[in-house]
This record gives sequence, structure tokens and C-alpha cells, in this order.
Amino acid sequence: SQQGEEDPQALSIQEGENATMNCSYKTSINNLQWYRQNSGRGLVHLILIRSNEREKHSGRLRVTLDTSKKSSSLLITASRAADTASYFCATTNQAGTALIFGKGTTLSVSS
Amino acid sequence: DGGITQSPKYLFRKEGQNVTLSCEQNLNHDAMYWYRQDPGQGLRLIYYSQIVNDFQKGDIAEGYSVSREKKESFPLTVTSAQKNPTAFYLCASSPFSTGTNTEAFFGQGTRLTVV
Repeated sequence: SQQGEEDPQALSIQEGENATMNCSYKTSINNLQWYRQNSGRGLVHLILIRSNEREKHSGRLRVTLDTSKKSSSLLITASRAADTASYFCATTNQAGTALIFGKGTTLSVSS
Repeated sequence: DGGITQSPKYLFRKEGQNVTLSCEQNLNHDAMYWYRQDPGQGLRLIYYSQIVNDFQKGDIAEGYSVSREKKESFPLTVTSAQKNPTAFYLCASSPFSTGTNTEAFFGQGTRLTVV
């Protein structure tokens, strides 16, 4: 059972542009997390936003959360070629004991 | 270095064989997880463990088995009952259950191929 679904599935941009990825989920959450995966590697945690937060920043990353719409967005500003990766949102399963991931957005940043 | 280590990086399995994927962490984390990732897909939860000597099935546990005899180790066995085992397997850990606002730390994965 996949809780989160990212949109778009794939995104291609030029260096310097902003990249926005969206995540929709189905049930109520305590928090929502975003992870990054370089090709053939493990996932790396980017940011966690709690259900009582609406926006959070970390460097060039900005995450928003709208619990009324059950959606979140990840904005990467001034993208670099090194940002090329897949990005996943994650929420918890119904028992609150494990992370459940969406299918991800594959971001390609060309120089 | 603190972290989570998966081995081997690449593994080849013949039809009908059981294989065991290793996952070790030295982060003193209570919870550990196994995920499967198919090409172009997200991660699907196989098994997870919140404490030593206890584990729960995830969404796709059939054909897999785990053990949690030590806090730092959570090996995954892919049995011959798993009909389509070729995939990328990821192990993760977190200080405690991820429902309590904590991030998960991932290993670098094991790519299993059936030959």
C-alpha cells in the first residue's frame, strides 16, 4: 500500500531553474519526509515537516505541507546538475511504525 | 564511521536457491527496515523490526524471512518461494519507530539478480 504519490513522475530542467515536486497522500499523518536517491544508491533524508507545520526551509530546499489537501511540495531553487536524482516523499503506515514511500519524481538538471 | 552497511553490493542467485542479504548498523538504532525497489518504482516494505527478537511483516513479505537476534543486525533471506526476486534491496534504520518524527538512515543497497 503506497501512501504518497509524487507528481510529476519525471522533470527535466536547466541549471539555475527551480524545480517543484508534489506529493499527495491519503490518510492523516504525524509528519511527512522527503528523501533523495542518486542512481543505484541508498536514500538520503532531506527534510521532515510535522503535521502542525506549514513550511520549512533547508538551504535551497523549501517544503510546504497542506494537511487540508493532503499534499506537500518540495521546491529546489537554483538547481544544479548535482541535484539530478530521484526524490521521494514518505509518510508512515497506519500503525505508525514504518515509512511508506511514493514512486518518486526523477529530476534531471542539465548544464 | 557511524552508519548502516549492506553487503554484498551485488548478488547473483540461481533459481531455487536461498540467499541472505546482510544489514549492519552501528548507530544504536532500535528500528530496522527492509525495502525492495524495482526499476523506476518506489520502495515497498518487506519486513521491519522495532526491537530485538521481534519483527513484523510489511506489504510484500511473502517469499522473504528475517531475524533480529542482535540490535545491530537485521539480515534478510530471499527464499526460493520468492518467484521474482531480481530487485534492488535497501535496508534502513531509525532511532525508534518512524511514527515519532524521526528520519530513517539507509544503506547503499544490494542488487540481487537471478541467473
